Amino acid sequence: AQSVTQLDSQVPVFEEAPVELRCNYSSSVSVYLFWYVQYPNQGLQLLLKYLSGSTLVKGINGFEAEFNKSQTSFHLRKPSVHISDTAEYFCAVSDRGYGNKLVFGAGTILRVKS
Amino acid sequence: KAGVTQTPRYLIKTRGQQVTLSCSPISGHRSVSWYQQTPGQGLQFLFEYFSETQRNKGNFPGRFSGRQFSNSRSEMNVSTLELGDSALYLCASSAGLAGGWADTQYFGPGTRLTVL
Repeated sequence: AQSVTQLDSQVPVFEEAPVELRCNYSSSVSVYLFWYVQYPNQGLQLLLKYLSGSTLVKGINGFEAEFNKSQTSFHLRKPSVHISDTAEYFCAVSDRGYGNKLVFGAGTILRVKS
Repeated sequence: KAGVTQTPRYLIKTRGQQVTLSCSPISGHRSVSWYQQTPGQGLQFLFEYFSETQRNKGNFPGRFSGRQFSNSRSEMNVSTLELGDSALYLCASSAGLAGGWADTQYFGPGTRLTVL
């Protein structure tokens, strides 16, 4: 069964600093990869997704992620964070052929400090 | 377009009762998925419905069931509630493109269920 590991449960960072949130998934033949963000008392919002093609994926709010097949990783990055980026971030994977069945990581809380 | 709506937003039940949660997908979307979110287990997939048929199922007991109507609205039911069923239940809708394999899922705000 597919699994996702988010290596950091919390990441504190100062405003305007760069950030990287790490995500590794268990190997499979081919997968789709996603990053979602959840603000307090809200549902999930898609930041970006990797389906195929270019390994560097750009998303909303200045976020980007790089798919690395050999390391089975899909780390999320932002060059300069804002206070408003404080939220919980989830990495998710779905196996091709399993429709919309997403397997989520445990989440990483990003705390941006002024 | 209106987003995914879930009703009710908050619910309190007691052990042994049953509960029904409702999800209205984005207009035109044909796929609805349900997820359970708890502090201990995180986000877990319950099931997905596409064109009124269950297409995928997670590893939950039979007390958890769902259905989808012809207008794509979906309900999930939990019978014989247990304390451990307290959670945020999220519904997600997607267009249900060919095979649905690369759909973007749009999540609703969730229903917070508390079991006493």
